[in-house]
Amino acid sequence: QITLKESGPTLVKPTQTLTLTCTFSGFSLSTHGVGVGWIRQPPGKALEWLALIYWDDDKRYRTSLHTSLTITKDTSKNQVVLTMTNMDPVDTATYYCAHREGASRTFDIWGQGTMVTVSS
Amino acid sequence: QSALTQPPSASGSPGQSVTISCTGTSSDIGGYNYVSWYQQHPGKAPKLMIYEVSKRPSGVPDRFSGSKSGNTASLTVSGLQAEDEADYYCYSYAGSNNLVFGGGTKLTVL
Repeated sequence: QITLKESGPTLVKPTQTLTLTCTFSGFSLSTHGVGVGWIRQPPGKALEWLALIYWDDDKRYRTSLHTSLTITKDTSKNQVVLTMTNMDPVDTATYYCAHREGASRTFDIWGQGTMVTVSS
Repeated sequence: QSALTQPPSASGSPGQSVTISCTGTSSDIGGYNYVSWYQQHPGKAPKLMIYEVSKRPSGVPDRFSGSKSGNTASLTVSGLQAEDEADYYCYSYAGSNNLVFGGGTKLTVL
């Protein structure tokens, strides 16, 4: 059974850096084709893909945010970390991590999400 | 990375069928057969309902079906039930650096 859980601060100040951790179980991020992605959802708004890391350490970022995002993995700890610099109130959102199934190129299992508020 | 276009709302009575559309371009929906649909209840994480245009994950009722024609994908919910009331999001692969979601459709069961 695949599970993922996000963790990190619930409140950050503008201009600060956000660090979120996704801890997962039920799969290995060293298995060919597997990936873990981050998706966010501002309150009352739509889902927005942010970043994706693959089993081979290939990394992909949303074009409009690529200069502020970094995604890394620690296969031994079953964790994926997302950092986002220069946070702004518009970045207030629920942040989800999700398992990316290689063949179908979809996010099939999601974590419960973690709400991050950006405010001074 | 423009969002896919969905109607903001849809509705139907119990037992009826409802279809939700998702319009993209030849660079996303029209270019790949990697369209997914997610169901999201308030305060919950999205749940995968359809992948690769028309495939259903294990455990998803066969009342949910997906299709695609050109640059538009569709999700049909047949035999509407009260528990189907939720937000629905489409998603398309659009290249290795471009994954796009729709704006979401709120489905109301009257």
